[in-house]
Amino acid sequence: EAGVVQSPRYKIIEKKQPVAFWCNPISGHNTLYWYRQNLGQGPELLIRYENEEAVDDSQLPKDRFSAERLKGVDSTLKIQPAELGDSAVYLCASSLEGGGQAFFGQGTRLTVV
Amino acid sequence: GESVGLHLPTLSVQEGDNSIINCAYSNSASDYFIWYKQESGKGPQFIIDIRSNMDKRQGQRVTVLLNKTVKHLSLQIAATQPGDSAVYFCAETDAGNMLTFGGGTRLMVKP
Repeated sequence: EAGVVQSPRYKIIEKKQPVAFWCNPISGHNTLYWYRQNLGQGPELLIRYENEEAVDDSQLPKDRFSAERLKGVDSTLKIQPAELGDSAVYLCASSLEGGGQAFFGQGTRLTVV
Repeated sequence: GESVGLHLPTLSVQEGDNSIINCAYSNSASDYFIWYKQESGKGPQFIIDIRSNMDKRQGQRVTVLLNKTVKHLSLQIAATQPGDSAVYFCAETDAGNMLTFGGGTRLMVKP
């Protein structure tokens, strides 16, 4: 069975440009998470979806970040405009249900120059 | 690939020795705990989990201990191997189903 798939693996953009990340969770997993991981730190939750509903987005910087999971399956995370401090690894994870074991994708490493 | 553990606490052990990685958590309402292993350039990988109604759980070469009184979690790896070298994170979930990660420990295994 395929795991969580993320693309792209790497992205380099200039500041003020937009960027989008895509995530396809494990089939049948209702819960989807987006995390941001800075170098040398643990992942920090940005947003959590239960099916197509965002149930926890308190840590998402809403002035520049947006996310969607329109059909309750795959999801996109967008940053517009990107800032230098957004450079990090963006991880997507999914679980059968909230509070259960979460499986992670490989992440997208974003570098803003 | 670029390391994820440049500024993390580091545990260095000899191959074949046992490793103990510790984690303190602060949310007394957390009821589910997971240990993840993260190798350079990869996402976190599930190792073992434990629910708050247990104080010990064993897997293959790994054991997780939970002490709810002092809000402490540990991961024991038996006969540590070079392939165990990675950054290890504990994560916790409460009734709100938020999966929150700790700061991580870098394990280095010396051959």
